[in-house]
Amino acid sequence: DTGVSQNPRHKITKRGQNVTFRCDPISEHNRLYWYRQTLGQGPEFLTYFQNEAQLEKSRLLSDRFSAERPKGSFSTLEIQRTEQGDSAMYLCASSRGQGVLYEQYFGPGTRLTVT
Amino acid sequence: AQRVTQPEKLLSVFKGAPVELKCNYSYSGSPELFWYVQYSRQRLQLLLRHISRESIKGFTADLNKGETSFHLKKPFAQEEDSAMYYCALSMVNTDKLIFGTGTRLQVFP
Repeated sequence: DTGVSQNPRHKITKRGQNVTFRCDPISEHNRLYWYRQTLGQGPEFLTYFQNEAQLEKSRLLSDRFSAERPKGSFSTLEIQRTEQGDSAMYLCASSRGQGVLYEQYFGPGTRLTVT
Repeated sequence: AQRVTQPEKLLSVFKGAPVELKCNYSYSGSPELFWYVQYSRQRLQLLLRHISRESIKGFTADLNKGETSFHLKKPFAQEEDSAMYYCALSMVNTDKLIFGTGTRLQVFP
């Protein structure tokens, strides 16, 4: 499968713990996006990268969230001191380039449950 | 603020009936609009984008800037169209997508 992959697929953690998710984009896709989706809502933008540069970060994203893409390939999203409100599906997407002609391809998501 | 509204959470039709999934947006600039679809147990995928003016799987959508709408239409629904449909907006100078809350389409035999 050469699509976007995300690990783990499911994560259950206790409130206050730190969690890290990984996204592997499609090979040679230089744009990588993170979205969050809660029950009954559409995906909500978190941040995106052009290669290793983080170009935009949602103002809704608290300081507990951090994302990296150190070598311009895979990316990690870390949530520190998790709260129950962080429970959601975290989606990663990648695209070949900039602009609306380049489709964003989504991964299967990581479902986070904070107890 | 930029916003995408999908007023219907659920739309149920019988096979062969016409379908229209509504989408309205709020954005003062020149928008780019998309429809994404998520079939059961599958990942989110692009269905169509207004800039391409294409028909995919029999679906079409026309951008109406006067009414700020991008409704998705299909003249004859099929059972395999049953899925979750999301309308999304992209704005000038950013590739981030703003999604609506989605409409679940159920097509009964």
